[in-house]
Amino acid sequence: DAGVTQSPTHLIKTRGQQVTLRCSPKSGHDTVSWYQQALGQGPQFIFQYYEEEERQRGNFPDRFSGHQFPNYSSELNVNALLLGDSALYLCASSLQGALGNIQYFGAGTRLSVL
Amino acid sequence: AQSVAQPEDQVNVAEGNPLTVKCTYSVSGNPYLFWYVQYPNRGLQFLLKYITGDNLVKGSYGFEAEFNKSQTSFHLKKPSALVSDSALYFCAVRDLGGSARQLTFGSGTQLTVLP
Repeated sequence: DAGVTQSPTHLIKTRGQQVTLRCSPKSGHDTVSWYQQALGQGPQFIFQYYEEEERQRGNFPDRFSGHQFPNYSSELNVNALLLGDSALYLCASSLQGALGNIQYFGAGTRLSVL
Repeated sequence: AQSVAQPEDQVNVAEGNPLTVKCTYSVSGNPYLFWYVQYPNRGLQFLLKYITGDNLVKGSYGFEAEFNKSQTSFHLKKPSALVSDSALYFCAVRDLGGSARQLTFGSGTQLTVLP
């Protein structure tokens, strides 16, 4: 049973560029959440997708956008990259409505903005 | 609003000794509480959770956590530490009384187990 998979593993971009990160949830899960983890910090919530809609959003600008596909996989898009966007981007999947609602995380995509 | 505090950036313990990693939380309603572990260049791995019921929760790899409502704490414990337990540990909370669907994480505690 495959867990949460993310691609690519590493990415290097320059300021002003755009990037797309991808996530496939754990089998049987229908909800995907994205987090940003800056160096030396805990993960910060970006947004959550369920039924192909953004259900909740954290304190991130509109440059951060996402999408969920019918197969529950998800993309995170970041436009007009800034140096401060350099971080580990984590995808977590869960089952909506499940008691305890454990979020399972992928290994992350390391984004470096130069 | 929901928040988590991990007051110790670093915890050092000798192998074989008991370990404790501290966590306190703030929510308006009842909390879901979680502990995750992160190894270098890896994502977060789920260790254990508290929803309701017994205040002592047992999880993976011999870890347990004690929920204390009066002190709003959820400390992670292990009776006998292993060198392989060395990693970054995160406490997280979700407020059942609010509209938040996301987890709020603490800043993390680096655990080092010395041989």
